[in-house]
Parts: sequence; structure tokens; C-alpha cells
Amino acid sequence: DAGITQSPRHKVTETGTPVTLRCHQTENHRYMYWYRQDPGHGLRLIHYSYGVKDTDKGEVSDGYSVSRSKTEDFLLTLESATSSQTSVYFCATTPGQGTEAFFGQGTRLTVV
Amino acid sequence: TQLLEQSPQFLSIQEGENLTVYCNSSSVFSSLQWYRQEPGEGPVLLVTVVTGGEVKKLKRLTFQFGDARKDSSLHITAAQPGDTGLYLCAALYSSASKIIFGSGTRLSIRP
Repeated sequence: DAGITQSPRHKVTETGTPVTLRCHQTENHRYMYWYRQDPGHGLRLIHYSYGVKDTDKGEVSDGYSVSRSKTEDFLLTLESATSSQTSVYFCATTPGQGTEAFFGQGTRLTVV
Repeated sequence: TQLLEQSPQFLSIQEGENLTVYCNSSSVFSSLQWYRQEPGEGPVLLVTVVTGGEVKKLKRLTFQFGDARKDSSLHITAAQPGDTGLYLCAALYSSASKIIFGSGTRLSIRP
């Protein structure tokens, strides 16, 4: 395992509140990714990072922001949670382009 | 917009049968990966294919990368209940660092 920890593992929050999910890695991997997984959609890329303070948008970035102030941590923030953001969120890391992606255990987020 | 299309979306077959899962795109990949995901877990890498026309075998699983590097297939011979899971293809594009996943194929093998 690549030592990827997601926190929290489960969260229920109310519509309109901000939420931050954390991904912590101990492998010094350069690249980090946030995905959401919904039935019938596989994994959809939200944002990714290719280095400290270097981030870019994925396919479904609206309503989400990210920050990476140090190599080991990649934070995903839902600025004002909506019910459509109810999902399972996965963090992944890779040491380099084209290499294996290692995933965290996922965070189940419910917005009520 | 999902750039990778997988088919079929669901597949339920009897133990011992063969099956093929497809992954297609209109774009050229620098490489393509196949992952398997079990309930409550993150995906785990099965294989990476890089060269057009490449074929890789992993026990009863055979992976093929299309000649034009726009499509791939996963063939399972003599499926077993342990093969049950969600199979995901993932494309890596040379122009970016991002990894794009397909919509997934949920496979169920009946004993």
C-alpha cells in the first residue's frame, strides 16, 4: 500500500455548509488526484495536482476547490455543499506520469 | 463529459464462461490501464499497456491495446466467482498529468 489516508471516512452535512476532505500520503508521490464515484459513472476527476501549489481542474470541478501546500496533503473543499455532491470521494496518488495510481479507502459524503 | 466509454455496463455470467469487456475513446492515449475495484475499497491496478497492438496476459485475463491506441479490451477465460467486481479502464494522455477513468463494467459471476 502507498500509505494513503483519507479523512473523514464518513460525513453527513447540511446543504449550504462548507466541507473539507483531506488526503494524506506518506510515499512522497508527486501527483495527487481527487475523484468522485457515483453509480453508472465510474470515477470522475474533480481536480489534480502535479506538485506543491500546482493544481488543475478535472472533468467535474464546479463547486469544488483544492489546495496543496505540502507534498503529503491534498485538500478538497466543497465551498457550499449541495445534494448533488452526495457521493463517494477517492483520493489517488502516483509517483510519476504513466505509473500506477494508488487509492485511498474513500470518503462517503452525504449532503442532506 | 466522459471521454472513455466502457461496454457492457453490467455483465452477469455463469462460472466457467468467457467474457470480453471493451474500452473505447475518440482520442489517442499515451497508455491505458485496467483496474479492478471491490466494494468498499479503492481500485487496484491490474495492468498497464503502452504500445499499440500490445497484448498482456495475467493468468486467465488477457488485455489488448488497439493498434491506433484508442481502444482496449479485457478478456477473461473460464470466469470464476472471485472475478466478480467493478472493472475500470483508465487513460493517460501525453498532454497532461491527469488520469481519466471509464464508466466501469460491473461483473458478476454466478457459481
